[in-house]
Amino acid sequence: SAVISQKPSRDICQRGTSLTIQCQVDSQVTMMFWYRQQPGQSLTLIATANQGSEATYESGFVIDKFPISRPNLTFSTLTVSNMSPEDSSIYLCSVDATGELFFGEGSRLTVL
Amino acid sequence: ELKVEQNPLFLSMQEGKNYTIYCNYSTTSDRLYWYRQDPGKSLESLFVLLSNGAVKQEGRLMASLDTKARLSTLHITAAVHDLSATYFCAVDIRSGTSYGKLTFGQGTILTVHP
Repeated sequence: SAVISQKPSRDICQRGTSLTIQCQVDSQVTMMFWYRQQPGQSLTLIATANQGSEATYESGFVIDKFPISRPNLTFSTLTVSNMSPEDSSIYLCSVDATGELFFGEGSRLTVL
Repeated sequence: ELKVEQNPLFLSMQEGKNYTIYCNYSTTSDRLYWYRQDPGKSLESLFVLLSNGAVKQEGRLMASLDTKARLSTLHITAAVHDLSATYFCAVDIRSGTSYGKLTFGQGTILTVHP
């Protein structure tokens, strides 16, 4: 299994600001994934973060809005830029370990 | 485009009863997951199903996979209140040599009543 820590667990943000979410894993993993869960909705993949290369974004998500860093094999950050109320969601990172996909506790963002 | 559909989306059960949640997906899959989510919490992994005919059981939950029908089921036996949660299925299709890019179903909100 994998233990995944995310920070912050929750935050309230003002419109137009940016917030960076951190994800730390207790073991080295090749790929880390960022998902979004809008209120009352299912989860949608934002991007895949590989160490040493640029993140790969899914349709509907762009680097300018969701820049991602992956400086090493245990850490990644996701920034939500120029936030609007529509960005209010839970953001979750996940990793594939021992044949299963594990999720962090999530970062619940509320944008006012 | 891969589509994953669950039904029902809402399920109200009496304690002690049995029921099944269905998960249909539109293209060939390499892995299928079932997750549980409690309100305000993250996802708890329940099952990973890898091959046709796979069946896994944990307590009152049993999951199965039919890759030919592109169907997975989550069967609940003798429901208890503690099973009240949202249940998601998710399909994983290998990208290169890696897994992890999941497409989720809509989720089934399960409420178990006394």
